[in-house]
Amino acid sequence: GAGVSQSPRYKVAKRGQDVALRCDPISGHVSLFWYQQALGQGPEFLTYFQNEAQLDKSGLPSDRFFAERPEGSVSTLKIQRTQQEDSAVYLCASSLDPSNEQFFGPGTRLTVL
Amino acid sequence: GIQVEQSPPDLILQEGANSTLRCNFSDSVNNLQWFHQNPWGQLINLFYIPSGTKQNGRLSATTVATERYSLLYISSSQTTDSGVYFCAACSNDYKLSFGAGTTVTVRA
Repeated sequence: GAGVSQSPRYKVAKRGQDVALRCDPISGHVSLFWYQQALGQGPEFLTYFQNEAQLDKSGLPSDRFFAERPEGSVSTLKIQRTQQEDSAVYLCASSLDPSNEQFFGPGTRLTVL
Repeated sequence: GIQVEQSPPDLILQEGANSTLRCNFSDSVNNLQWFHQNPWGQLINLFYIPSGTKQNGRLSATTVATERYSLLYISSSQTTDSGVYFCAACSNDYKLSFGAGTTVTVRA
């Protein structure tokens, strides 16, 4: 079956622009996660959804970051007024339930100039 | 949150060699996963192994939960095994905490 998909795969933004990153989880997966991976490091947790409810956004680095999953399926991570330090790979993962195995998408590589 | 440490940070192998990667974690876990990140950045699931032993082809993994470590074994390594291997764990919640990874280079 289809895995987690993300779009776009690459995004170049000028500093100050807003960007939107999309995640399509595996069908039927209730839990959806966003992670951020800086160059040469392991991914770090950003936020978690159970269906459409955002239950944890403790990892979002600033109020410029906003995530939603309005119908409990597709999710969008939005970054407003991008800064150079936002350059990273943004990974989406989904799982059947919160403590189950997480499956990752291919990521969106964001470069802010 | 839970702390995850991986060793060694880098590993260079000759094709056909065997190796062991280690993951230590600081608390009891309800989820532990091993991933291989390929050169294109995709995290490929290798094992979901909060406890016990599993095998998949040339790879196997063991987690000793009571002693808070997990091991990933690669046997008869191939050049396609090259990449970064991550261990990730969570303790009583859902947030995976990743180690810094082990970069494996397999030379022909």
